[in-house]
Amino acid sequence: GAVVSQHPSRVICKSGTSVKIECRSLDFQATTMFWYRQFPKKSLMLMATSNEGSKATYEQGVEKDKFLINHASLTLSTLTVTSAHPEDSSFYICSAAPSGADYGYTFGSGTRLTVV
Amino acid sequence: QKEVEQNSGPLSVPEGAIASLNCTYSDRGSQSFFWYRQYSGKSPELIMSIYSNGDKEDGRFTAQLNKASQYVSLLIRDSQPSDSATYLCAVNPGRRALTFGSGTRLQVQP
Repeated sequence: GAVVSQHPSRVICKSGTSVKIECRSLDFQATTMFWYRQFPKKSLMLMATSNEGSKATYEQGVEKDKFLINHASLTLSTLTVTSAHPEDSSFYICSAAPSGADYGYTFGSGTRLTVV
Repeated sequence: QKEVEQNSGPLSVPEGAIASLNCTYSDRGSQSFFWYRQYSGKSPELIMSIYSNGDKEDGRFTAQLNKASQYVSLLIRDSQPSDSATYLCAVNPGRRALTFGSGTRLQVQP
């Protein structure tokens, strides 16, 4: 149980374009999902907490207008990187856990974004 | 002081040996502790969770928690080359999102 699907796994885009990443909980409902980014050989950095039906909570230093998060249903959260630039190239990973329980969170497979 | 600290390694052990990975955390209110394994280019995979002081065993893995010392460890018995990965310690400080250490890279030599 607790399967999280993330799509796409890899994307290359041109500078200035926008990219949407989807994160789905397949066998449970997730009122909260989390978005992380990870640079090579570095740990995971929490970007934002995605809340179903309400605005996302962004971590300090993360531009909310650049990283748009939408959590429109209990099983889907999306992260849109707007006007992407090469410095946005990174590994983006979402995670979630069944509501009401203190589980370790399951991670999606991650999205490798390369902006050229 | 970082919230969750780990030795970055690499920790190198021979095949069949015990690998010992350590983690300290700063928030005394933390209640949940997790170990994730991350292979290069992949996302983290949960391998152990521990919530109370003492040891918790699952197959070749044993997690140890000492809340008084704010210390969590992971022991891997009979280490295999396939265990070579980065091991991330994660702590839930009560605000839902996990806080991760920087990870310890483990290399198991055949």
